[in-house]
Amino acid sequence: DAGVIQSPRHEVTEMGQEVTLRCKPISGHDYLFWYRQTMMRGLELLIYFNNNVPIDDSGMPEDRFSAKMPNASFSTLKIQPSEPRDSAVYFCASSPALTTGNTIYFGEGSWLTVV
Amino acid sequence: QKEVEQNSGPLSVPEGAIASLNCTYSDRGSQSFFWYRQYSGKSPELIMFIYSNGDKEDGRFTAQLNKASQYVSLLIRDSQPSDSATYLCAVGASDMRFGAGTRLTVKP
Repeated sequence: DAGVIQSPRHEVTEMGQEVTLRCKPISGHDYLFWYRQTMMRGLELLIYFNNNVPIDDSGMPEDRFSAKMPNASFSTLKIQPSEPRDSAVYFCASSPALTTGNTIYFGEGSWLTVV
Repeated sequence: QKEVEQNSGPLSVPEGAIASLNCTYSDRGSQSFFWYRQYSGKSPELIMFIYSNGDKEDGRFTAQLNKASQYVSLLIRDSQPSDSATYLCAVGASDMRFGAGTRLTVKP
């Protein structure tokens, strides 16, 4: 089975530019998560969706960040305008259900550098 | 704010020794506990999960949970150099929170 697929794997962009990160969850998984990982703050939950509906976006740092899930097989995380402090690894993850016995499965991550 | 705390390490053990990794959490209502391993430059991968008080063993790995003390640990027996990685404790379900991780180095 294909795992969670993220693109791009690496992106270097200039401050002020728009960044769009993409994710394809594992087929049949009802939950999709976006995490950000930095050395300083570790792995932080930004937002998660259930059946394409955003459930909790309390971790989204500010209005420059937005996430969408137009269908069950695709999600985007957008940063506009980007800033150097947004440099991090952004992980997308999915889960079949949030019940005992299930966990989340991570993609390979998108490594973002804002200069 | 639901907190997950791990001893920051780094932790260094000789090959063949037991590595002990610890984690505490703040939310008494938490029901699900996970240990992930993350190699440098890679994504986290699940190695153990535990839901009930007590021990759970899987090969060389043993997870221990004490809900009264809000404490979960991971023991790695017969540590190998390939176990060198950062170990992340995670707590929760839909709002899964991760600790900062403990970097483990197993020296040959």
